[in-house]
Amino acid sequence: DTAVSQTPKYLVTQMGNDKSIKCEQNLGHDTMYWYKQDSKKFLKIMFSYNNKELIINETVPNRFSPKSPDKAHLNLHINSLELGDSAVYFCASSPHGGLTNEKLFFGSGTQLSVL
Amino acid sequence: QLLEQSPQFLSIQEGENLTVYCNSSSVFSSLQWYRQEPGEGPVLLIALYKAGELTSNGRLTAQFGITRKDSFLNISASIPSDVGIYFCAGQLSGANSKLTFGKGITLSVRP
Repeated sequence: DTAVSQTPKYLVTQMGNDKSIKCEQNLGHDTMYWYKQDSKKFLKIMFSYNNKELIINETVPNRFSPKSPDKAHLNLHINSLELGDSAVYFCASSPHGGLTNEKLFFGSGTQLSVL
Repeated sequence: QLLEQSPQFLSIQEGENLTVYCNSSSVFSSLQWYRQEPGEGPVLLIALYKAGELTSNGRLTAQFGITRKDSFLNISASIPSDVGIYFCAGQLSGANSKLTFGKGITLSVRP
């Protein structure tokens, strides 16, 4: 009964490959996010979708493409992986989004290692 | 860095109390504290919405500064399961404003 679940937990791949990370939330929330946590544990937002609509798109290389087929799912596809993409990627959701005072519920993360 | 947290690393003895801080030059509509345990995502501990608000969650107490630019989190009678990274996160006013995280404070508790 995991609230926000993402797969895979670990992803090891070669430079230049294309990979996807999937995320699903069963909380009935309207908004979903992707965050990137670097080796120094700094959490930075990448994207946010509210009811399948992109509302936040930070300065992220266009090799990263989020896709939200419905408001319970937000996937992240990464093309032409680079060494610098190695990080932990977290999916999160919040009840409404687009408003202030939102609380985030995080998945357990996907550790991506690019060799 | 929008949100400054100090200290970056903290090691305390089990049973001790501790206070960690979060400061910014920006005014926030809300300020939240999260804890991240190893191998997991951050979990919300306390959310603050009003200037000067003091809120408790078990052994945790946090306060939002009067100017809405700072906060502290106090943990009393620490236990080994308190280990983790403590993040403060602030949200600016306005529609679609994002939640911005501080760099976090890594806490270890010595038995």
